[in-house]
Amino acid sequence: EPEVTQTPSHQVTQMGQEVILRCVPISNHLYFYWYRQILGQKVEFLVSFYNNEISEKSEIFDDQFSVERPDGSNFTLKIRSTKLEDSAMYFCASTMSGTRNTGELFFGEGSRLTVL
Amino acid sequence: GEDVEQSLFLSVREGDSSVINCTYTDSSSTYLYWYKQEPGAGLQLLTYIFSNMDMKQDQRLTVLLNKKDKHLSLRIADTQTGDSAIYFCAESILGGGSYIPTFGRGTSLIVHP
Repeated sequence: EPEVTQTPSHQVTQMGQEVILRCVPISNHLYFYWYRQILGQKVEFLVSFYNNEISEKSEIFDDQFSVERPDGSNFTLKIRSTKLEDSAMYFCASTMSGTRNTGELFFGEGSRLTVL
Repeated sequence: GEDVEQSLFLSVREGDSSVINCTYTDSSSTYLYWYKQEPGAGLQLLTYIFSNMDMKQDQRLTVLLNKKDKHLSLRIADTQTGDSAIYFCAESILGGGSYIPTFGRGTSLIVHP
């Protein structure tokens, strides 16, 4: 069964370092998302991406964050200069169509980021 | 903005029914969802309900939607140890041409023998 894969599963980094989290969405999906969950808090929407551009982003997704689809398969989240409060589980998700279905998102297993 | 609240823990005995509750704020939500997350795995859609429905039943799962009170519940009949997981309530709005779910914190369901 097709699935969304994320790497790395866990990354530890020093404050101020750049981090790139990688995702391979399901191959025929067109919409891509990043969510994050700080320990004990809600799963928060960061950004959605369609047709090689950001379609929606939250207040959390500031200039420190960027997303890219560098080739036909990968979808990356870059955090330019990590802060302690960026420590969280980051989830990538994808879906095939925008509004013609129920909005079901298919999630990866998550990448845990720890900023020291 | 949208907000989703749910209790953090629920403990039930195997064979009993589990009821997980959720409240949400956005009356324009189109779909409401229950996602399940098993240990070490990502969130997986368990069931959903369209906002013009009151109830949806799918085998052991019953979803009730009270739009007036903005209350969503998930009932799991004959709860099994394999149902132990984190259950996330979510509402969705249309944004940027696609539905964007807003999630709660998740309810940890613990099923004990």
